[in-house]
Amino acid sequence: GNSVTQMEGPVTLSEEAFLTINCTYTATGYPSLFWYVQYPGEGLQLLLKATKADDKGSNKGFEATYRKETTSFHLEKGSVQVSDSAVYFCALLSGAGSYQLTFGKGTKLSVIP
Amino acid sequence: DTEVTQTPKHLVMGMTNKKSLKCEQHMGHRAMYWYKQKAKKPPELMFVYSYEKLSINESVPSRFSPECPNSSLLNLHLHALQPEDSALYLCASSQEGSYNSPLHFGNGTRLTVT
Repeated sequence: GNSVTQMEGPVTLSEEAFLTINCTYTATGYPSLFWYVQYPGEGLQLLLKATKADDKGSNKGFEATYRKETTSFHLEKGSVQVSDSAVYFCALLSGAGSYQLTFGKGTKLSVIP
Repeated sequence: DTEVTQTPKHLVMGMTNKKSLKCEQHMGHRAMYWYKQKAKKPPELMFVYSYEKLSINESVPSRFSPECPNSSLLNLHLHALQPEDSALYLCASSQEGSYNSPLHFGNGTRLTVT
């Protein structure tokens, strides 16, 4: 079956620090990979996506590269801001007719001034 | 701004009440979803509608009853809930059930069962 493993949090960083949140996956076929962000009191927002190997998704300064050889999709940002404090979920969709997003457990990021 | 709109934002109900959660999207998406999210956990899939037909029911208790009146609307009818059903209920939509159609989520309804 499909699974997503992401680093346990919480992660606390100072403003302008470099962020990496690790994500690895197990899937049949060739999944699409996503990062979602959930700000306090809100729903999930799609942050970025990649649909094939070596694709790089990017948005709002965040980046993640689909690495088939290491089955990874690590999230990075060069300089975090207090407003980036949120919970980040790595997720995958696999296969035609696929409706089931497989989520990682989520990583809570706190950025302090 | 989210393109999936959920109402109400907050709901408190007793165990004998009947209430409904509503979800609306105008992106032309043909798949719509209900998820349940407990604190500090990822969302769990409850139901999927594809082209207005129920295609997935993840063994959800019958006290939760979904309805898809048309391609833009999704309801979740609640009856005789238990306190453990208190959670954030998220609606989502996607273009179709394919691997490269990301889900777009609403901001959720925070439900408290007393």
